[in-house]
Amino acid sequence: GIQVEQSPPDLILQEGANSTLRCNFSDSVNNLQWFHQNPWGQLINLFYIPSGTKQNGRLSATTVATERYSLLYISSSQTTDSGVYFCAVERVGNFNKFYFGSGTKLNVKP
Amino acid sequence: NAGVTQTPKFQVLKTGQSMTLQCAQDMNHEYMSWYRQDPGMGLRLIHYSVGAGITDQGEVPNGYNVSRSTTEDFPLRLLSAAPSQTSVYFCASSPGQGSYGYTFGSGTRLTVV
Repeated sequence: GIQVEQSPPDLILQEGANSTLRCNFSDSVNNLQWFHQNPWGQLINLFYIPSGTKQNGRLSATTVATERYSLLYISSSQTTDSGVYFCAVERVGNFNKFYFGSGTKLNVKP
Repeated sequence: NAGVTQTPKFQVLKTGQSMTLQCAQDMNHEYMSWYRQDPGMGLRLIHYSVGAGITDQGEVPNGYNVSRSTTEDFPLRLLSAAPSQTSVYFCASSPGQGSYGYTFGSGTRLTVV
């Protein structure tokens, strides 16, 4: 398979702070996704970003496929950002076969 | 649109019993997948499909079967439940290659005693 490593594993922020989450992967990929799992267990797709940079409100993501990493930026964090953030990658040639990292658990305190 | 619907939401099985977890999507998505999530861990791929009639194994396929006779449905069968299959199961779908990412169902929490 492909190794997917996320860092940091745990993160505690004060509301209003900014943060950067990292996802490293061990092989070339077709695609990369970022997800948020809220405290109730629901998984929400944040970005589908095989390369380049995308922004959605306070969140943005950058994938540098040639260097095998992706970053998720959260600005002006809110308590509703709490939960676990996962990245998932699809290895080149393996369509729809995504491998997940173990996640970054974020706790935003009021 | 209902999105991705998983049933049941909760299930308790005895060791050795069989059951089917249902997954249905109404978005005409080509790709569908089953994942399991164990406490404190990421998601691991069980089986996946790139279209009706086409399925393949993921990382942890042992003890599970799937079929994809229609675009809409992708049921997951547990053949003979074991305590190691206690987990939360998620179904996901997407339109296909080079397009938008996954839409996940709300999950099925399965306990095998």
